[in-house]
Amino acid sequence: EAGVAQSPRYKIIEKRQSVAFWCNPISGHATLYWYQQILGQGPKLLIQFQNNGVVDDSQLPKDRFSAERLKGVDSTLKIQPAKLEDSAVYLCASSLGKGQVNYGYTFGSGTRLTVV
Amino acid sequence: KNEVEQSPQNLTAQEGEFITINCSYSVGISALHWLQQHPGGGIVSLFMLSSGKKKHGRLIATINIQEKHSSLHITASHPRDSAVYICAVGETSGSRLTFGEGTQLTVNP
Repeated sequence: EAGVAQSPRYKIIEKRQSVAFWCNPISGHATLYWYQQILGQGPKLLIQFQNNGVVDDSQLPKDRFSAERLKGVDSTLKIQPAKLEDSAVYLCASSLGKGQVNYGYTFGSGTRLTVV
Repeated sequence: KNEVEQSPQNLTAQEGEFITINCSYSVGISALHWLQQHPGGGIVSLFMLSSGKKKHGRLIATINIQEKHSSLHITASHPRDSAVYICAVGETSGSRLTFGEGTQLTVNP
């Protein structure tokens, strides 16, 4: 079974530039999560999708971050404009069922973003 | 106070040593996950458990629901075990995971 695919693996941008990350979850996984992990900290949930609908985006900085999962399969996370404090690893994860975290919860390899 | 606390934050061991990483949590959970993260950033799920004990190779995970505590043990540690180990809990009240800060393990040859 293929895992959760993310791209790119690494990205370096200047502050105020825009960046987009892509995630393709495991086939059949209805729930998709985007996490931000700042160095030395545990991951923090940015947004959770159930199929193509948003379940939880309470910690998403909506003035600069946006995410979509238009067809309920793959997803993109965008930052516009980027700030220095956005430097982090952005992790995508997916799971089976109706938001049940314990069903096949799988992480992607992450995208390491450096904002200079 | 964090809802999920791990100890120690950093751990250095010699190859072959028995290692224990601890996780305490303060919320009601449906399950607890132990995750491994290598320097590249990707996370691998090691265990998901809601009671008792699980074993996979040299790794053993235990959980005590009454005491809200879990441990991850590594027997006969090896330098390739060097990574960050993260404890995460799935809360009964919702569907998100809450993560600990992670334990940086370094195993020297």
